[in-house]
Order: sequence, then C-alpha cells, then structure tokens
Amino acid sequence: QSALTQPASVSGSPGQSITISCTGTSSDVGGYNYVSWFQQHPGKAPKLLICDVTIRPSGVSNRFSGSKSGNTASLTISGLQAEDEADYYCSSYSSTKTLVFGTGTEVTVL
Amino acid sequence: QVQLVESGGGLVEPGGSLRLSCAASGFIFSDYYINWVRQAPGKGLEWLSHISGSGTTIYYADSVRGRFTVSRDNAKNSLFLQMNSLRAEDTALYYCARVGARGVHHMDVWGKGTTVTVSS
Repeated sequence: QSALTQPASVSGSPGQSITISCTGTSSDVGGYNYVSWFQQHPGKAPKLLICDVTIRPSGVSNRFSGSKSGNTASLTISGLQAEDEADYYCSSYSSTKTLVFGTGTEVTVL
Repeated sequence: QVQLVESGGGLVEPGGSLRLSCAASGFIFSDYYINWVRQAPGKGLEWLSHISGSGTTIYYADSVRGRFTVSRDNAKNSLFLQMNSLRAEDTALYYCARVGARGVHHMDVWGKGTTVTVSS
C-alpha cells in the first residue's frame, strides 16, 4: 500500500492552467478507472473534485478536469484563481480492495 | 442536511486505547459504506478502513490492521473506530467520510475530524 506519487508543489499565475500528476502502478491507478481527486484548504476537510478519473460531482467548477494514461492520472485546473490555492490529493482503488492516497500537491497561485 | 460528526479524540499514552465515533445525519446511514481517513500533522491523507452499510464487509490498511477495529450501529446512525496499542505515529486528525454510489474511492461527504494525540 505505497502512496501514489504526486509532485510536492505546483504553481501558476491567475488565469493559467496547471496540471498535477498522480503516478501509481498497474495494481491501482493503471488497473481501474477508480481515481478521485480532492481539494483541501488549510484547516478544512477534503472536498471531492473528481471521481472515476473524469467525473465532476454536481457543484464542482468545470475548471477542474481529470484524465488518465497508463499508471498516471492527472488533474488540470484551468483559469487558475486565487481560491484554488490549496492542497490536492489523488486516490485510487487498489487490487487489494483497499484505497490509496497520493502524497499530496500544494498549489500556489502566484 | 447531510452531515458526519466525529468525536472521541483526545490525548492518550503510547500503548493505550481510544474509541472514536462518527455520527451521521441527513441520509439513510445503513445504505452507505463509510471510510476512515487520517491526517498526521503537516502530512498527507491516509486511508485506514472502510465498512459496508451492513457492517459485514470491512477492510483495513496494513498500518492499522490488528490494532484498529471498525464497527457500526445503524440503529443509532453511528460508526466507531476502536484503536488499541496506540503509537506516537497514530497522532493525527481522524476523519470519517461517506462513500458515494461510485465506490469506496468516491468520498462525497466528510466530517470535520477529531484529533488524536499519542504522547506520554
């Protein structure tokens, strides 16, 4: 149950697009379309942004989008805004019927 | 509204035990799997366990299997995490999270968490 690998930090200017990667193995990210993304502001609980690799729950901005290629999933934030400054975590179902989170990425809006 | 509220956290000595609770409201509790997730200070999220709506199916992370036990009382809309043989590395904010229709990775409702500190 090793954590999925994410970059520690990603930054961008307002209006730009950024992409956060989430790398696992064929036993988790690569083996299932069960990848989710969460946003966590300081002192707050995580919030679901993306489920099943690409599906945005109701109420989540369409500036957030997900994709996957092989063992790597990605979250793209388009039209970066100050309120997007937060920590982002991916998660994936795994072959052991457990769940694994990514190491987390701090997004900074310059 | 749909809500999860954790309680039971506190300070405990290494080797001690603690029982966390998660109270649900605003939805049919027995219809949903629930996950336990924790976050050590300044660290990332760590999945601990999930339990089915009936309570008959439970999975644990390797880091807590054999020390932590999850249970639920659907009549009281409550979920529990019994933590034994606690270690300093169990110090964290503990969340319960509802599992949505798409599977255990689909955590659509989270509580605000309860803090556990393991220290002498």
